[in-house]
This record gives sequence, structure tokens and C-alpha cells, in this order.
Amino acid sequence: GEDVEQSLFLSVREGDSSVINCTYTDSSSTYLYWYKQEPGAGLQLLTYIFSNMDMKQDQRLTVLLNKKDKHLSLRIADTQTGDSAIYFCAEDTGRRALTFGSGTRLQVQP
Amino acid sequence: NAGVTQTPKFRILKIGQSMTLQCTQDMNHNYMYWYRQDPGMGLKLIYYSVGAGITDKGEVPNGYNVSRSTTEDFPLRLELAAPSQTSVYFCASSSEGLGNTIYFGEGSWLTVV
Repeated sequence: GEDVEQSLFLSVREGDSSVINCTYTDSSSTYLYWYKQEPGAGLQLLTYIFSNMDMKQDQRLTVLLNKKDKHLSLRIADTQTGDSAIYFCAEDTGRRALTFGSGTRLQVQP
Repeated sequence: NAGVTQTPKFRILKIGQSMTLQCTQDMNHNYMYWYRQDPGMGLKLIYYSVGAGITDKGEVPNGYNVSRSTTEDFPLRLELAAPSQTSVYFCASSSEGLGNTIYFGEGSWLTVV
């Protein structure tokens, strides 16, 4: 089976960079995703990376993938208070549904 | 653009009652999903469907039933509500199951007392 693990909490100051980490166990994952959940809302797709890539950049977001260690990270540059949310890592192993981690709560202090 | 719409947004049920969570999408997606999210946890897949007339169990299907009579609708039924079903329920859809964006509804908060 597969399991996706994330640290539960991260606190940063406004303007700093945030790095949220994720580990997964299923080496057959083809796509890996980052979703953002704001309080009382559903999940919104932030970005994703295909398994044959090791980095993807999208404005303030940088995704790094280390397939050997099964490690995925999301870096948010110049973190803002509006970035405060729960961030979920998810993997797509081709079994028709995503497997989610338990989420990392990002708190941005002014 | 409506996207994925879930109703109701909030509901309190008594133990043993039944209810249906409605989900509809207007993107003509073949794949639809029901997830539950318990406090401090990730999402667990309850049921999914790859097209009208086809449904399959996910990770935590016990206590739930689904149907998919149309492409647009994927209702989730709780037959005998139990306190363990207190959770936030998310419906989602995608055009294909692999590598395509999954769109989520805003969630349904269900409390069983």
C-alpha cells in the first residue's frame, strides 16, 4: 500500500520562505500534487509535478521531487498572510483516485 | 462557473437517521469521487465512479452507498448514521483519473449526535 506523510505544522514570518515537506512510499506514483485548503473551504489545486521531472517553478511556488528518496517539497517564496492555510500533498498511482497526506498547517505571522 | 456543487453545507443528524449528500458537476467529467476528512487528517476515499452506471469502493466505504445514474450527479447516502461518520465530506470530479486536475466541492459538514 501507499502512505503519504507530512509534518503537521509550520510557522513562518511574513516575507520569509516556507518549505513544506512530504514523503510517499509508492514508487509507481506518476503525478504528485500540492493542494491548498483555506478555513471552511474545499481543496484547490496549487501545482503538480510529473514523476519524470525533479523541479517545477510557478511564480512564487517551487516544487522539488526526489524520486530516489520519495520526497516532495513545496517552497513558497515571500510568504504572505494570505498563504496561511493547510497544504496537502497527494500522489496519483494510477488507481483512479488520489492518496492524500494529512496536511501541513502553515501559519504566517505578520 | 458552478464547477462541483454539494448540498447541504451543514447538517446535524441523530444516530440511526438516514440522509443523502447531493453532488453535481457541470464540467462533463466522467470521474467523480467522495472523500471524507476527519479533523487533523487527510482525505480518505469513500467511493468513486468512472462514468454513469459504474461505481467502486474506495478506502472507507462501510456505512455508505452511492449511485451514478447520470454523468452530472453522484449522491452519497448514509443509511444508519453513526457518530463515527461525523466528518467533512468532499465531492470531486475530474475528466480522467490519471494526471488531470481534480476539482473539489466546498464540502459538507456533517455531525451525528
